[in-house]
Amino acid sequence: SQTIHQWPATLVQPVGSPLSLECTVEGTSNPNLYWYRQAAGRGLQLLFYSVGIGQISSEVPQNLSASRPQDRQFILSSKKLLLSDSGFYLCAWTTGADTQYFGPGTRLTVL
Amino acid sequence: GENVEQHPSTLSVQEGDSAVIKCTYSDSASNYFPWYKQELGKGPQLIIDIRSNVGEKKDQRIAVTLNKTAKHFSLHITETQPEDSAVYFCATPLGNTPLVFGKGTRLSVIA
Repeated sequence: SQTIHQWPATLVQPVGSPLSLECTVEGTSNPNLYWYRQAAGRGLQLLFYSVGIGQISSEVPQNLSASRPQDRQFILSSKKLLLSDSGFYLCAWTTGADTQYFGPGTRLTVL
Repeated sequence: GENVEQHPSTLSVQEGDSAVIKCTYSDSASNYFPWYKQELGKGPQLIIDIRSNVGEKKDQRIAVTLNKTAKHFSLHITETQPEDSAVYFCATPLGNTPLVFGKGTRLSVIA
């Protein structure tokens, strides 16, 4: 069966520091991968999605970037965090059908 | 623009009563309508979905109905239990975005 992992689970970072969040999927090949951000008490905002290695689509312009160095690995990065980057970051996958399956999330607090 | 409207934003029901959450969408080409349940501090979990060639789908106490003419779909939970308390999100593909989510409904089931 398929499993999606995210780490770290929680992270507290100072403003201006770099960021690297990782997502990996097990049990499937060539998944579509997604990064979402969820602000406190809010809905899910799609940040990036990828249909293959090295292929990244950006939905929202911001100081974040994404990379897909391996088939089942998706990384969210920033060179300098802003206070507004705080939130709950969720990774999701799909095999090409519409259904997306979410990971456990990373709670990021920028101070 | 393309969006998904979800109502109500909060809903309180007595244990054993029914709960109904409704979403409307803007793109008549949308053909997939999932519902997710998100418990505190966790990633959203798919609970039921429906495709546009079906008007209703039921899974035990949960059902989803779709009205493509009116461009709305609803989640129905019968015989609610305290463990149904969570935030529920609807979603659908809109334009080039794989899934656009509603802002969520916080359901509280009062024992």
